[in-house]
Amino acid sequence: SAVISQKPSRDICQRGTSLTIQCQVDSQVTMMFWYRQQPGQSLTLIATANQGSEATYESGFVIDKFPISRPNLTFSTLTVSNMSPEDSSIYLCSVEMGWTGHTEAFFGQGTRLTVV
Amino acid sequence: QKEVEQNSGPLSVPEGAIASLNCTYSDRGSQSFFWYRQYSGKSPELIMFIYSNGDKEDGRFTAQLNKASQYVSLLIRDSQPSDSATYLCAVNSRASSGGSNYKLTFGKGTLLTVNP
Repeated sequence: SAVISQKPSRDICQRGTSLTIQCQVDSQVTMMFWYRQQPGQSLTLIATANQGSEATYESGFVIDKFPISRPNLTFSTLTVSNMSPEDSSIYLCSVEMGWTGHTEAFFGQGTRLTVV
Repeated sequence: QKEVEQNSGPLSVPEGAIASLNCTYSDRGSQSFFWYRQYSGKSPELIMFIYSNGDKEDGRFTAQLNKASQYVSLLIRDSQPSDSATYLCAVNSRASSGGSNYKLTFGKGTLLTVNP
């Protein structure tokens, strides 16, 4: 299993500003994942962060809006840039661990973001 | 667009009853299927996974998979108030970036309430 520390746990931000969310894992992992969970909606993958390379973004998400850093195998950040009320959501960091033929996803506690 | 659909609920059952949660998926190439439980304000936690057609039992939980029908379900026997949560179906499907990359696609979740 993995223990994932994510911070901040919540924040209220002014529109037009940016917020950086940090994610720390207690073991080295190749890939880290960033999800968004809007109210009443499913988890939507924003991007996959590999150490040593640029993040891979899913359709509908762009680097300028959600820049990601992955400086080492245990840490990543997601920045929500130029925020608008539509960015109000829960943002979750995740890692996958397992063995051949089986992987499990583990999640951080989430960051509840409100943009006013 | 690979989709995972769940009966939206909310689903309400009396204590001791069987709760049945259903999920369909669109990607026939999906290999792995997961059920996550998410308590209000908390991050998702894995409770069951299944790879092969048929039933898989773990305590009070039974996952059922039918790949021909693209259908996966979760049965909770002897439901307890502590089972009250949102249950997320997740399917490991090929990422939009293609290649050998897979990603988890989540359904919107079914809110289950177990009444004492």
